Amino acid sequence: GQQVMQIPQYQHVQEGEDFTTYCNSSTTLSNIQWYKQRPGGHPVFLIQLVKSGEVKKQKRLTFQFGEAKKNSSLHITATQTTDVGTYFCAGGGNTGKLIFGQGTTLQVKP
Amino acid sequence: DVKVTQSSRYLVKRTGEKVFLECVQDMDHENMFWYRQDPGLGLRLIYFSYDVKMKEKGDIPEGYSVSREKKERFSLILESASTNQTSMYLCASISLGAAQPQHFGDGTRLSIL
Repeated sequence: GQQVMQIPQYQHVQEGEDFTTYCNSSTTLSNIQWYKQRPGGHPVFLIQLVKSGEVKKQKRLTFQFGEAKKNSSLHITATQTTDVGTYFCAGGGNTGKLIFGQGTTLQVKP
Repeated sequence: DVKVTQSSRYLVKRTGEKVFLECVQDMDHENMFWYRQDPGLGLRLIYFSYDVKMKEKGDIPEGYSVSREKKERFSLILESASTNQTSMYLCASISLGAAQPQHFGDGTRLSIL
């Protein structure tokens, strides 16, 4: 079946360093969504990418959707302690159903 | 703001018990989902529903069933709980149409002893 693989599983960075997490799908996606889950919290929607090659920014966060619509990345510039949490990508089809990646847990040392 | 409410944050049950997890959303969303979240495995879809009395199996439906008698409520049922069903359970809802963000409840951390 369709799978979405996300790497790395864990990342520890010093505050101020950059961070990137990558997603790869076994099939072409209609869209990709990104969620953030703070420790003890639930996933919260960050952004959605729909177009091939799309790039979107939210302050220090940059999201990319690959040309083939099978991969995506989230890059955080100059991490802060408030960035701590688990970041999930989720590949979408046309039904509203999502296939979630395994998530990348980010730890930031002050 | 969308509100998705799960009935319990923490639940402890015994092996063999029938367990009900309840989820209610207040935005008249058509689509509702149940996931379980385990370390290193992300969120895995158990069941979803597109409408009242309608349900479809997700990726890991074995040992679970669901009920959607009213549009706002989607229940997950563990027919005979087993220890390997100890997990975090998350409910989500979205409005009709593709490419909508999912709104999650706070989750139920279920322990089966």
